[in-house]
Amino acid sequence: GEDVEQSLFLSVREGDSSVINCTYTDSSSTYLYWYKQEPGAGLQLLTYIFSNMDMKQDQRLTVLLNKKDKHLSLRIADTQTGDSAIYFCAEISGGSYIPTFGRGTSLIVHP
Amino acid sequence: EAQVTQNPRYLITVTGKKLTVTCSQNMNHEYMSWYRQDPGLGLRQIYYSMNVEVTDKGDVPEGYKVSRKEKRNFPLILESPSPNQTSLYFCASSLRGGANYGYTFGSGTRLTVV
Repeated sequence: GEDVEQSLFLSVREGDSSVINCTYTDSSSTYLYWYKQEPGAGLQLLTYIFSNMDMKQDQRLTVLLNKKDKHLSLRIADTQTGDSAIYFCAEISGGSYIPTFGRGTSLIVHP
Repeated sequence: EAQVTQNPRYLITVTGKKLTVTCSQNMNHEYMSWYRQDPGLGLRQIYYSMNVEVTDKGDVPEGYKVSRKEKRNFPLILESPSPNQTSLYFCASSLRGGANYGYTFGSGTRLTVV
């Protein structure tokens, strides 16, 4: 089946930028998502990007999509301790309605 | 408030004792799905439903059943739970599945089977 890969951990200092990376294998991916899971909670949709876009910005969040390399990234500017969570990359390919999730990246923010 | 509600939040049971985890959404969503989350394995889909009376297997359906008799409810049934079904379970729903709608997730049910 199709695959979505993420590194498992990222540690940053408060105030720095965080960049969480994701790669996927399905060249027919149409929508790509970032979800955030805080401790003890379900996943929350942070943002998404359509495959014909290269970049999407929403306040402190910037999503970059390199469709040629099948690489998606999430940049969080001025990272705060409240950003500590697990971040999941997910994709949906044409004709499917069910997202494929990566294993999640645990972001740890140090004061 | 628009939400997906799962019950119970925590459940400890014994091997072989049938249980049901309920899931309800109040957003008139067509798509509903069950996932299990295990350390190092991320989210794996168990079953999904595209509408009432339409259900299909996900990646790890063995040992689970679902039903979709009404649009708002999508219960997960474990007929004979086993310890390898100890996990964190999430129900999710979407207006029409994926696209630019994304999924809304419940808060999770932590199941322990002893």
